[in-house]
Amino acid sequence: AQKITQTQPGMFVQEKEAVTLDCTYDTSDPSYGLFWYKQPSSGEMIFLIYQGSYDQQNATEGRYSLNFQKARKSANLVISASQLGDSAMYFCAMREDNTGGFKTIFGAGTRLFVKA
Amino acid sequence: GAGVSQTPSNKVTEKGKYVELRCDPISGHTALYWYRQSLGQGPEFLIYFQGTGAADDSGLPNDRFFAVRPEGSVSTLKIQRTERGDSAVYLCASSLEGGGAGSTDTQYFGPGTRLTVL
Repeated sequence: AQKITQTQPGMFVQEKEAVTLDCTYDTSDPSYGLFWYKQPSSGEMIFLIYQGSYDQQNATEGRYSLNFQKARKSANLVISASQLGDSAMYFCAMREDNTGGFKTIFGAGTRLFVKA
Repeated sequence: GAGVSQTPSNKVTEKGKYVELRCDPISGHTALYWYRQSLGQGPEFLIYFQGTGAADDSGLPNDRFFAVRPEGSVSTLKIQRTERGDSAVYLCASSLEGGGAGSTDTQYFGPGTRLTVL
């Protein structure tokens, strides 16, 4: 079974609009961390936001917020006020603290296109 | 400050050859990770170093792959008898302290080395 599922291979959003990128995960480990990374065409992975499994509140970092729904095992990324520079691949990732060793598992990614 | 650097940026080799890929982590970062990213996929974990030791090498696909970090800073990923299926972008990341239960340690990635095996 896939540990991280990103069901949207591509998404379009109008500049200045908000967009939600979906991510669901599968784990039986009670302690885990969820991450979102951005990968522009240059190839470098850029950390965006982190959510711990025991965090009570949704994580926010500037225009990025993580809609964490633990019971549904979803960790969607919300980007507000999209900018042209947001066009990139976005990866959801998970680290299982007790059972996963030190590995971080990535989803297949969603390509976001921001239209002017 | 300087980020994670990887050399070479591109490597083309022939099937059966040996290659070495180098990663220079951020100064002071004790944790170092190697990932492999195939076209259209997310990064796939290969190995994790804490200091000089490989704390988790469960992602190495087979014994043709080996990595070292002899002085706890620079790391080299070594691939013997390369195969066409090894073609991918190899990403290196470093973090200040490393993973573990509840860690929020952020991984900083390098630009990657694109390996092409002909």
